[in-house]
Amino acid sequence: QVQLLESGGGVVQPGRSLRLSCAASGFIFSSSGMHWVRQAPGKGLEWVAVISSDGSIKFYADSVKGRFTISRDNSQNTLYLQMNSLRPEDTAVYYCAKEGTMTSFDSWGQGTLVTVSS
Amino acid sequence: IQLTQSPSSLSASIGDRVTITCRASQGIGGYLAWYQQKLGKAPKLLIYGASTLQSGVPSRFSGSGSGTDFTLTISSLQPEDFATYYCQQLYSYPSTFGQGTRLDIK
Repeated sequence: QVQLLESGGGVVQPGRSLRLSCAASGFIFSSSGMHWVRQAPGKGLEWVAVISSDGSIKFYADSVKGRFTISRDNSQNTLYLQMNSLRPEDTAVYYCAKEGTMTSFDSWGQGTLVTVSS
Repeated sequence: IQLTQSPSSLSASIGDRVTITCRASQGIGGYLAWYQQKLGKAPKLLIYGASTLQSGVPSRFSGSGSGTDFTLTISSLQPEDFATYYCQQLYSYPSTFGQGTRLDIK
């Protein structure tokens, strides 16, 4: 079965960087678009970024554009999110999600918490 | 593209029929998905393509609509259905979610 396992979350000071990873298994990773979605404490879902199956196409939410970079290593079945210049408003649980039919998100990881605080 | 869900919260009883609506600020064809999220858990895909039931999702869930107006209906509420529901547009990037509808027990 599909498994997505995020890691790399933690507490970080404003202005610092963090890299999240998402280890994928149970499907052909190199054939699937992948996304990051975040959820601030007590708030709704916010889409963050997408990367195409071969890594050639990427889109970002305006709130993270220029600060976050999505990437993938298809040889390692791993998705990444490099987060630079972190702000307190980036505090959230970050989920990776697999793209399915009509680009819906048919599988999600369990999430990793990022807390940006001094 | 903005998505507006209504209501924001809803109280209902076991066995009730419940409808949640999602309105898009511009036409998105059928590129709409619905998710269920329980407290402390990841979202779960219920409906994609506005009306197609995801594999393994009970048939009491159904979706309809196209263009700008969409609905999620639960035909007969079960105890495990009390959760928060989100719509999402997949028509164009940035993808967006509705603000969520919290469904709790009356």
